[in-house]
Amino acid sequence: DTAVSQTPKYLVTQMGNDKSIKCEQNLGHDTMYWYKQDSKKFLKIMFSYNNKELIINETVPNRFSPKSPDKAHLNLHINSLELGDSAVYFCASSRGTSGNNEQFFGPGTRLTVL
Amino acid sequence: GEDVEQSLFLSVREGDSSVINCTYTDSSSTYLYWYKQEPGAGLQLLTYIFSNMDMKQDQRLTVLLNKKDKHLSLRIADTQTGDSAIYFCAERPGGGFQKLVFGTGTRLLVSP
Repeated sequence: DTAVSQTPKYLVTQMGNDKSIKCEQNLGHDTMYWYKQDSKKFLKIMFSYNNKELIINETVPNRFSPKSPDKAHLNLHINSLELGDSAVYFCASSRGTSGNNEQFFGPGTRLTVL
Repeated sequence: GEDVEQSLFLSVREGDSSVINCTYTDSSSTYLYWYKQEPGAGLQLLTYIFSNMDMKQDQRLTVLLNKKDKHLSLRIADTQTGDSAIYFCAERPGGGFQKLVFGTGTRLLVSP
């Protein structure tokens, strides 16, 4: 059983399109995250949700809109895709927001914008 | 501020020890982590250390923390070819938020 899963694994699309990436965790965790890893492998947090509420939003363009329909899902919708959005997007989850809560990562979604 | 730096590459021979270094800037960091990323895969937590500790050992892994110098290291004993991967250190900044600030990653290459 996959703990944190993402779909799709690969996404190739044209500039200007709108696309969504889905994330699901079956660990019963309360907190979920989206990270972006660029071509140089630099990894940076984008958003975090705790119990379906947004708690971290790291100066991400408002073309990116996360949505958490329930605690087990955190989707990422991207409008008007740009070349610079090409990256690997990782979803993660953790039990909560206090103490040491190990973050479990999904396998990543490689987005290529042409 | 939040800034985490690592050297980009490390090459060792199988059986040697590897030491991967990391420096961070946020003195209020509570936890520091080491993650491993194999090609085409997500990140896997290897180990972590609480900021009031200076050493933690877990089988072949030894983490050393020098809080005064804001320096973290990961030592892998008896390095194997399967250890070849990118290693990220990460800090959890103070302030109560769960976000992790990742380093630039160190690509470890283990040759037979």
